[in-house]
Amino acid sequence: DAGVIQSPRHEVTEMGQEVTLRCKPISGHDYLFWYRQTMMRGLELLIYFNNNVPIDDSGMPEDRFSAKMPNASFSTLKIQPSEPRDSAVYFCASSPGQGAGELFFGEGSRLTVL
Amino acid sequence: AQSVTQPDIHITVSEGASLELRCNYSYGATPYLFWYVQSPGQGLQLLLKYFSGDTLVQGIKGFEAEFKRSQSSFNLRKPSVHWSDAAEYFCAVGEPYNTDKLIFGTGTRLQVFP
Repeated sequence: DAGVIQSPRHEVTEMGQEVTLRCKPISGHDYLFWYRQTMMRGLELLIYFNNNVPIDDSGMPEDRFSAKMPNASFSTLKIQPSEPRDSAVYFCASSPGQGAGELFFGEGSRLTVL
Repeated sequence: AQSVTQPDIHITVSEGASLELRCNYSYGATPYLFWYVQSPGQGLQLLLKYFSGDTLVQGIKGFEAEFKRSQSSFNLRKPSVHWSDAAEYFCAVGEPYNTDKLIFGTGTRLQVFP
């Protein structure tokens, strides 16, 4: 079975541009998480969904960030407009839920904003 | 609010030596505790988890961790380190009623010398 699939793996863009990161969770998983990893702040939870519904977006840094999950097999994280401080590795993870506590991570999308 | 502290940013050991990575948590009750490993360029993978019961838990790749309530700690150990264990290790905490929403520590980078 395929794992969590993220695209693109690397993105280099200029300040002010729109960035869209994509994630396909593992089939059958009810939870989807977006994390951001930086040297300074470590791994931060941005938002998570349960059955396609956003449950907690308190980690989204500001209005420039938005996330959607239109169906069980696809989610996007959008940054508009992007800024250099958004440079980070963005991870998507999914979980079957049921209190198992095991998150399955994608390989990440490395974003560089110049 | 719950939090996780990993006091060691970087640890270097020789191959074959024993290893202990420290993790301290802050939570009003007994949290659910996890250790994840991240190999370079990869997402995170679950090593082991503690929910209740025996305070010494076994994980994959020969790792174990011990929950000590009196010290609010959940240290990761391995009796003999292999070069392939070089990676970054993250301790995480989840709430009993929401174990899929994990808060991660800042990580400990392990370097292994031959």
